Amino acid sequence: EVQLLESGGGLVQPGGSLTLSCAVSGFTFNNYAMNWVRQAPGKGLEWVSGVSKSGAYTHYADSVRGRFTISRDNSKNTLSLQMNSLRAEDTAVYFCAKGPEYCSTTSCYPSYFDYWGQGTLVTVSS
Amino acid sequence: SYALTQPPSVSVSPGQTASITCSGDKLGFQYVCWYQQKPGQSPVLVIYQDTKRPSGIPERLSGSNSGFTATLTISGAQAMDEADYYCQAWDSSTWVFGGGTKLTVL
Repeated sequence: EVQLLESGGGLVQPGGSLTLSCAVSGFTFNNYAMNWVRQAPGKGLEWVSGVSKSGAYTHYADSVRGRFTISRDNSKNTLSLQMNSLRAEDTAVYFCAKGPEYCSTTSCYPSYFDYWGQGTLVTVSS
Repeated sequence: SYALTQPPSVSVSPGQTASITCSGDKLGFQYVCWYQQKPGQSPVLVIYQDTKRPSGIPERLSGSNSGFTATLTISGAQAMDEADYYCQAWDSSTWVFGGGTKLTVL
């Protein structure tokens, strides 16, 4: 059974930092791209970041580029999201999601998201 | 930045057909996927690569994509189909979601 379990959420002050983790099981982790998607309270989905199977290629939404860093440890089946300079508008439930990968001649991109975790809540407030 | 536009809400009577649209100026040249999200739950992939259904997704859900509009069609809607639906497409190294459509079955 495919399982993705996020952790690391909590309350943080504006300008602070937080690291989210996603532990996976039930599939071969290094065969899939991984992503973070967030959902602010009562709002829609927003893609945050994605990483290729190998970890060599990373992609970010404009809203988090330069502040967030995605990474993966294929030896530990773990995905991470380092979040710095947090703002009130980063308050959301953060989901990790897996999916196939598509590669062009210059880069590799996450494709559709076939399994999602249950999410972890990040609240940025003073 | 690229935007995908969905109607905020769609209503359908049980057993009837509902169509949820997703509009974007590059959609005909991109693959679109659709997610279903019920209250308090994580999203579930229901359509990928415009028309394909993952295993376990009922045949009454189908997708199409042509021109500037992708459509999720739910034939013979059931109460269990009541949920929020999001379209998604890839543009310039970023994934973009539509704003979501709340489907009400009543």
